[in-house]
Amino acid sequence: KNQVEQSPQSLIILEGKNCTLQCNYTVSPFSNLRWYKQDTGRGPVSLTIMTFSENTKSNGRYTATLDADTKQSSLHITASQLSDSASYICVVSASGGSYIPTFGRGTSLIVHP
Amino acid sequence: NAGVTQTPKFRVLKTGQSMTLLCAQDMNHEYMYWYRQDPGMGLRLIHYSVGEGTTAKGEVPDGYNVSRLKKQNFLLGLESAAPSQTSVYFCASSYSIHRGQETQYFGPGTRLLVL
Repeated sequence: KNQVEQSPQSLIILEGKNCTLQCNYTVSPFSNLRWYKQDTGRGPVSLTIMTFSENTKSNGRYTATLDADTKQSSLHITASQLSDSASYICVVSASGGSYIPTFGRGTSLIVHP
Repeated sequence: NAGVTQTPKFRVLKTGQSMTLLCAQDMNHEYMYWYRQDPGMGLRLIHYSVGEGTTAKGEVPDGYNVSRLKKQNFLLGLESAAPSQTSVYFCASSYSIHRGQETQYFGPGTRLLVL
């Protein structure tokens, strides 16, 4: 069964600090991995998307990495801001015609001033 | 360019009542999706559509029906609401599922409470 596990479940950091969120998956055959940011009461917004051949992708202060061999991804947030407080969701899609992506449960990040 | 919009934003139903949630997108996307999000769980796909006039079941389709009569609209229907359908419903759309075009754009969500 395809699964996406995220850790930690929640994280509290001080403004200005860096943090790294983890995503492990068992989706096969792998097509792409996406990271979304979901603010409270809003819909998810795409941060990055990576395919099998991509190791790193950045979007401003957000940098995602992918290790397809170990089936792990991380999202690194640099110089955190209060506006980074949100849930970060890892989503993995399989190739081969399935349109059903597998969502992780998300990591809740709180940035304190 | 409004992106993806959802109507209504919030609704309270009694058990057994019916309702339709409307999703509209103005990005000319082929693919549209309906998800539900429950506390402590990831988003789960209810139904999806790969083009006008087509629909397919997702991960948790029971108790829901959908229609895609127009490319820009995707309707989610609950024929007989149950308390287990209390959730936040998100609609999303994407241009394609192929490389470089897979990004899904989400609406703001509809909060449904079934008493």
